[in-house]
Amino acid sequence: EVQLLESGGGLVQPGGSLRLSCAASGFTFRSYCMSWVRQTPGKGLEWVSGISANGGSTYYADSVKGRFTISRDNSKNMLYLQVNSQRAEDTAVYYCAKGAGGIFSALNSWGQGTLVTVSS
Amino acid sequence: DMQMTQSPSTLSASVGDRVTITCRASQSISSWLAWYQQKPGKAPKLLIYKASSLESGVPSRFSGSGSGTEFTLTISSLQPDDFATYYCQQYNSLWTFGQGTKVEIK
Repeated sequence: EVQLLESGGGLVQPGGSLRLSCAASGFTFRSYCMSWVRQTPGKGLEWVSGISANGGSTYYADSVKGRFTISRDNSKNMLYLQVNSQRAEDTAVYYCAKGAGGIFSALNSWGQGTLVTVSS
Repeated sequence: DMQMTQSPSTLSASVGDRVTITCRASQSISSWLAWYQQKPGKAPKLLIYKASSLESGVPSRFSGSGSGTEFTLTISSLQPDDFATYYCQQYNSLWTFGQGTKVEIK
């Protein structure tokens, strides 16, 4: 059974930083692209960042480009999102999600999410 | 930038109703479209991929159609478990979600 478990969320001040982590199990992690998707409380879904299976290619939404960095450690089955220069509008639940296959694909497994609150 | 527009934003329906949700892409995405269901406090769940392929384990009352820029999600006979918010998502170029359609009890 595929399991994705996010951690690292919390309260951060504007301009601050956090590192979100996602522990993956139940599948061959190194074979799949992964993404981060966020959801502002009470609002819709926003894709944030994606990374290829070997980590060689990374992708970002314009809203986070230059501030967020996605990475992965295939030896540890871990996905990360370094979030810097936090803004109030970055407050959201952040989900990690597994790609179904291929560089761009549907997201067929999701974690339960970790809440990031940006506030002074 | 790619834009995905869903309609309606809210849909009121009764158990047993046939329900259709539309998603339009601002440019052609071939068939690279997925549909997700999300319930309050839960992560999204993949229902349909490649516009019309049913994800394993998803009931057959869910179906998807379309290609290019216009797509639909149909629930043939709405069940109590189907009251939720539905999102379309393109993955032709990066990933973009629609704004969501809330299916509520009439």
